[in-house]
Amino acid sequence: AQSVTQLDSQVPVFEEAPVELRCNYSSSVSVYLFWYVQYPNQGLQLLLKYLSGSTLVKGINGFEAEFNKSQTSFHLRKPSVHISDTAEYFCAVKGNNNAGNMLTFGGGTRLMVKP
Amino acid sequence: DTEVTQTPKHLVMGMTNKKSLKCEQHMGHRAMYWYKQKAKKPPELMFVYSYEKLSINESVPSRFSPECPNSSLLNLHLHALQPEDSALYLCASSQTDRGWETQYFGPGTRLLVL
Repeated sequence: AQSVTQLDSQVPVFEEAPVELRCNYSSSVSVYLFWYVQYPNQGLQLLLKYLSGSTLVKGINGFEAEFNKSQTSFHLRKPSVHISDTAEYFCAVKGNNNAGNMLTFGGGTRLMVKP
Repeated sequence: DTEVTQTPKHLVMGMTNKKSLKCEQHMGHRAMYWYKQKAKKPPELMFVYSYEKLSINESVPSRFSPECPNSSLLNLHLHALQPEDSALYLCASSQTDRGWETQYFGPGTRLLVL
């Protein structure tokens, strides 16, 4: 079984500042890792994913994440945020022996970008 | 095109009503999912269909009844719901149910049970 911890439930930041949203996971097998964003009153949109290969993954809207196997982390970063980045961000994990493609989500981090 | 559509967007129903939620995708995906999301919480998996067959039921009460009439369509039939069932219901699909496949989510149906 897998578990995901998003260490910050809320992250306030000023526009054009950098941001890091933290995600740590636990798993007894190798994992696939995902970040999704949910804008108010909408569904989830995939930001980026790590399946294998390069540990630095670039996604949409200028976001990137780095897979650190020794730290069991997959932190999301953006060098300069916009007001439009205000949303809920979910880190999710799947074990590579997963049947049914079941995602395990973290509790979510609300990113609040202030002018 | 990575679009999953869901209808209706909003639904209000009484505890004695019967209603259905609909989800559709035309990406040729063979795995489809229903999730329930309460406010300020992550989505919780309810059901997984793989090649139109129910493969996972996460101990969901029988008042929720899924149906997959064909590879593009997924329904969730609702009957005798409780107020605590009020939530955002999300549908997702993926190419197959293999672990590396990305799940693509629809916009959700916001359900209010009175």
